[in-house]
Amino acid sequence: QKEVEQNSGPLSVPEGAIASLNCTYSDRGSQSFFWYRQYSGKSPELIMSIYSNGDKEDGRFTAQLNKASQYVSLLIRDSQPSDSATYLCAVNHGGGSNYKLTFGKGTLLTVNP
Amino acid sequence: GAVVSQHPSWVICKSGTSVKIECRSLDFQATTMFWYRQFPKQSLMLMATSNEGSKATYEQGVEKDKFLINHASLTLSTLTVTSAHPEDSSFYICSAVGQGYGYTFGSGTRLTVV
Repeated sequence: QKEVEQNSGPLSVPEGAIASLNCTYSDRGSQSFFWYRQYSGKSPELIMSIYSNGDKEDGRFTAQLNKASQYVSLLIRDSQPSDSATYLCAVNHGGGSNYKLTFGKGTLLTVNP
Repeated sequence: GAVVSQHPSWVICKSGTSVKIECRSLDFQATTMFWYRQFPKQSLMLMATSNEGSKATYEQGVEKDKFLINHASLTLSTLTVTSAHPEDSSFYICSAVGQGYGYTFGSGTRLTVV
């Protein structure tokens, strides 16, 4: 059973702070990793994708991947109230034409003004 | 960017009736489409994977005779919930993948069965 684990939260941070979201996965052969943001009642929207070890930065967001530890994280700098949402970690286990994603249960983030 | 249109965005139906949800890729050809279901405060659970022109592959525990998936063209996939019951009430989301295009989600359909 391929599993993706996240702290369910809620995670509460003040405006302007750094929010740190964590995710672990069980399948060592996993190849692609994604962070999605989901507002209540809406479908997920892609924030970041990462495929190789290390950091990947995009604006206020930084994804970090450590395949040896089977760990992927998302840092949100200068958090804004509009960042308040559920953040879903998703992992693609296969290569080739296997595009299936396994999602974690999500971490609810609240940014307080 | 890639856009996936899903409709209806919400639907209320009577128990025992069937509901069809459509998912269209507007500006790319979706070789693979995924259908997810999400219950309140839970994560997305994959129901089935469909490839254009072939039968859908259902995840364990998902009734293929109840959730009919058709992927007749590279831009359209449909999910029909047959003989819907209140326990089928959920948020249904499609996602499409195409050559050169990563996962793109539809906007979701809120189904309420009364």
